[in-house]
Amino acid sequence: DAGVIQSPRHEVTEMGQEVTLRCKPISGHDYLFWYRQTMMRGLELLIYFNNNVPIDDSGMPEDRFSAKMPNASFSTLKIQPSEPRDSAVYFCASTPFEGEEVKGDTQYFGPGTRLTVL
Amino acid sequence: DAKTTQPTSMDCAEGRAANLPCNHSTISGNEYVYWYRQIHSQGPQYIIHGLKNNETNEMASLIITEDRKSSTLILPHATLRDTAVYYCIVRSYNTDKLIFGTGTRLQVFP
Repeated sequence: DAGVIQSPRHEVTEMGQEVTLRCKPISGHDYLFWYRQTMMRGLELLIYFNNNVPIDDSGMPEDRFSAKMPNASFSTLKIQPSEPRDSAVYFCASTPFEGEEVKGDTQYFGPGTRLTVL
Repeated sequence: DAKTTQPTSMDCAEGRAANLPCNHSTISGNEYVYWYRQIHSQGPQYIIHGLKNNETNEMASLIITEDRKSSTLILPHATLRDTAVYYCIVRSYNTDKLIFGTGTRLQVFP
């Protein structure tokens, strides 16, 4: 398996532009997580899905951020309009659900997308 | 979830054991201790987890005190490739989320 795939790996855009980050989870995984990492705030959970349904979006910073998971193999995180303070590395992670337990020990992270908003 | 406290940074000589401490004094009975690490410019990677017994796998050992208020991650023979930020996380059995703190930056030197 290729692991969690994220695209693009790097994105440079200007303030006010729309940005779309993409994630392909590992096949068969039921959960998908979006994180953001900055020097100031560390690694923050933004939103996560279970079976394509958003479960907890309490970490989404504001209405400019939205995430979708139209099917089990694809998710997007969109920022519209983007601002310089959105500059960060955005990680996607996926994990399977086994029995009655979410397998936190097998939360697989993608390589991340480094976003720079000028 | 219980909060964890870790030293900001540590050094270790290559080939020696690296012992990374973590305090989680408010941990409750159904909360696990997880360790992840993040090598520069990569996504976090799972290392090990435990509830109350000591655990060992091919990467590391996890020692949890009897009162469960602290734990130590042991890398038995550190290599340069173990240089990374190590996160100690406490997670409840019935939650889906991992909450990452600031971690310990381990520098392994030759």
